[in-house]
Amino acid sequence: SQQGEEDPQALSIQEGENATMNCSYKTSINNLQWYRQNSGRGLVHLILIRSNEREKHSGRLRVTLDTSKKSSSLLITASRAADTASYFCAPNSGGSNYKLTFGKGTLLTVNP
Amino acid sequence: DTGVSQDPRHKITKRGQNVTFRCDPISEHNRLYWYRQTLGQGPEFLTYFQNEAQLEKSRLLSDRFSAERPKGSFSTLEIQRTEQGDSAMYLCASSLGLGFTDTQYFGPGTRLTVL
Repeated sequence: SQQGEEDPQALSIQEGENATMNCSYKTSINNLQWYRQNSGRGLVHLILIRSNEREKHSGRLRVTLDTSKKSSSLLITASRAADTASYFCAPNSGGSNYKLTFGKGTLLTVNP
Repeated sequence: DTGVSQDPRHKITKRGQNVTFRCDPISEHNRLYWYRQTLGQGPEFLTYFQNEAQLEKSRLLSDRFSAERPKGSFSTLEIQRTEQGDSAMYLCASSLGLGFTDTQYFGPGTRLTVL
């Protein structure tokens, strides 16, 4: 498996604004997953996008995947204070162990 | 709540002591993972079970670490002769085992502090 690299490392926005964070990886993938971690709920799976998909939506979340650029982005629309958390991407290259390899994440702060 | 549970949530120990953590996965999940997370970093993979078989161990898992999953249900992670560098959050996750699109569900973690 390989590690994703999230960018920016930190992002601070006002409630109601949109937040975009990016993930880059190095080799071909089977899928890419996004997770959120905050102190209250631990690490939570947000969305999985397969390598043959270009865009996926889940509520206020939109994930895009560009396999030619080896990058993905996570857009959170109409952010809320409760979205304050660290966001991690986990590119999955396949293989037999299915372990996830996380980067350092993007720390998103949504100010009320 | 039928999610992944971990016990204890916090553990403070003195250097050189042994500690054991427990993870109870979601009941129908046959895969179980242990990760370690230090401040400012993402979780790092430690080991993985498919039912009761431990199929992979990370280089991070020195011989002071041992994990078991008897009968393919709960799992324990033991650290012997703890060192200050072992201070971290230890996360457990489980999944159904659906192949590459498997979703891992994480527990709340056990925060270990070694004095």
